[in-house]
Amino acid sequence: LAKTTQPISMDSYEGQEVNITCSHNNIATNDYITWYQQFPSQGPRFIIQGYKTKVTNEVASLFIPADRKSSTLSLPRVSLSDTAVYYCLVTRDDKIIFGKGTRLHILP
Amino acid sequence: DADVTQTPRNRITKTGKRIMLECSQTKGHDRMYWYRQDPGLGLRLIYYSFDVKDINKGEISDGYSVSRQAQAKFSLSLESAIPNQTALYFCATSDADRPSTDTQYFGPGTRLTVL
Repeated sequence: LAKTTQPISMDSYEGQEVNITCSHNNIATNDYITWYQQFPSQGPRFIIQGYKTKVTNEVASLFIPADRKSSTLSLPRVSLSDTAVYYCLVTRDDKIIFGKGTRLHILP
Repeated sequence: DADVTQTPRNRITKTGKRIMLECSQTKGHDRMYWYRQDPGLGLRLIYYSFDVKDINKGEISDGYSVSRQAQAKFSLSLESAIPNQTALYFCATSDADRPSTDTQYFGPGTRLTVL
């Protein structure tokens, strides 16, 4: 399964757009890209999933270039409550593996 | 997610004791998972089950066992607890026909401390 690499931590300010990029150079044809959010002492929560191009929902957007070797989670106009750990996963029919995630800290 | 419950929420035990963590779900999902999370690290998969008769080892199954008593119940046991099993344990469920498009729903977690 493709290994994912993402920043260990990021800081941003309220009201800003935050982009978290994940690299997955060895992604395979049948793999999907999924992002989860985790607040302290809670289980992860699904945010968004995509295969290629762009996916948008009420929470975030996911941008995937044509080569699919990376993806970018975009959070519009973040607030303090968006402070959390964000996990980028490459999922395949028989495996789902969480990495260490990106610790996002939103400042007032 | 209230649809996935874990008991106990916190447990302190001693080295060598047998411990069982329980997970119940009302989502009607066939797939259930057990993960552990250590401070500052991501989640690591211990065991997973795609239906009542199916049990599979994850990446860190040594020292653990599981039982899928029913579609709604999936228990994790530590036969002889050791201090490095101190961690936060999460149960999750999903109903994806294809794991590649899986969305997992997590319970609130069980904080286990082994002294």
